Amino acid sequence: EPEVTQTPSHQVTQMGQEVILRCVPISNHLYFYWYRQILGQKVEFLVSFYNNEISEKSEIFDDQFSVERPDGSNFTLKIRSTKLEDSAMYFCASRPWGLAGGTDTQYFGPGTRLTVL
Amino acid sequence: GDSVTQMEGPVTLSEEAFLTINCTYTATGYPSLFWYVQYPGEGLQLLLKATKADDKGSNKGFEATYRKETTSFHLEKGSVQVSDSAVYFCALSSNTDKLIFGTGTRLQVFP
Repeated sequence: EPEVTQTPSHQVTQMGQEVILRCVPISNHLYFYWYRQILGQKVEFLVSFYNNEISEKSEIFDDQFSVERPDGSNFTLKIRSTKLEDSAMYFCASRPWGLAGGTDTQYFGPGTRLTVL
Repeated sequence: GDSVTQMEGPVTLSEEAFLTINCTYTATGYPSLFWYVQYPGEGLQLLLKATKADDKGSNKGFEATYRKETTSFHLEKGSVQVSDSAVYFCALSSNTDKLIFGTGTRLQVFP
């Protein structure tokens, strides 16, 4: 069964450094997402991406964050200058073409644990 | 704004016990409702969903019914197994595409 993959599984970085989290969505999917889960807290939406542009972003997704689909298969999340509070599990998700409004299932990857020291 | 409220965990049960995890929501419009499960060390997996009022989602012995009158989507299973031990997340998706999650409920099942 096709699945969303994410690399690395764990990333440790120093505060102020740039990180890129990588995701390979399911191949025929057209909508892509990033979520994050700070330890012990709920999963929070960061951004959605369709047709090579951001569809929606949360207030968490400030100028330090960016997303890109550089080559038609990868989907990346970049944090330009990491802060301690960026430490979290970051999940990528994708879904196939369908009606807007969220009736279709989003398929999640296993997550990347980001630790900022 | 839209939100999801789940019962706090952990929920601790013996094998073959009946499970209920409560979930209520606040939303404008007519949201779709989901239960996701996260097994230890793994990502989020869709367990079941319901897209309109009175729909019942079911999978692997789990069930949840979309109750518009009580704005609820409680998860139930008649007989839990040790392998069901995981964190369960209730979520909704409303007019926009994003999923809004509850805080998650940890289920621990002992033999």
